[in-house]
Amino acid sequence: SQQGEEDPQALSIQEGENATMNCSYKTSINNLQWYRQNSGRGLVHLILIRSNEREKHSGRLRVTLDTSKKSSSLLITASRAADTASYFCAYYSGGSNYKLTFGKGTLLTVNP
Amino acid sequence: GAGVSQSPSNKVTEKGKDVELRCDPISGHTALYWYRQSLGQGLEFLIYFQGNSAPDKSGLPSDRFSAERTGGSVSTLTIQRTQQEDSAVYLCASSSQGNNQPQHFGDGTRLSIL
Repeated sequence: SQQGEEDPQALSIQEGENATMNCSYKTSINNLQWYRQNSGRGLVHLILIRSNEREKHSGRLRVTLDTSKKSSSLLITASRAADTASYFCAYYSGGSNYKLTFGKGTLLTVNP
Repeated sequence: GAGVSQSPSNKVTEKGKDVELRCDPISGHTALYWYRQSLGQGLEFLIYFQGNSAPDKSGLPSDRFSAERTGGSVSTLTIQRTQQEDSAVYLCASSSQGNNQPQHFGDGTRLSIL
């Protein structure tokens, strides 16, 4: 399977703490994206990092990409209860520019 | 502006019935995608449209599944003779033209086959 893998599968933290989620993948990629999914809702695009980038920031989000290790991490700083959701990494691979491959996701719970 | 709209939001039907799921993409988005999300699973790619044509139908699980898109806008996903294993959330996404764009998702149709 070319599916990505996130770890941990589930993460529970207190408000104000930082949350780190990791993603590993198996193929060459053009870019890697992170999405959030609240319960019962669709996915919301958070951030995209290109294969020639190593780190990217957006607000409280920080994404890193290590193409040599085929891995990425998403850091959410100063977490809030509203950050409670599932987080997925996704990437275009194998020469495709439309077929996103998703990991199985990390369920983040931020306790007030 | 309006996001991706899917209907119905929930559908319960008996095994063997046909169902039709609708997706209304963001205006101007030429690319449209269908995914399936089953409990405990990741997202499974089903089909991709560029305009009204579907260059890649490789993800459709069986010949009971079909999809069409008309006018470069609304798309319908049809499942014939539904089976219990078809129970899942069916998500639609759209994106603007160009390589490797972020995709914008609807809230999905939760399909339950009794």
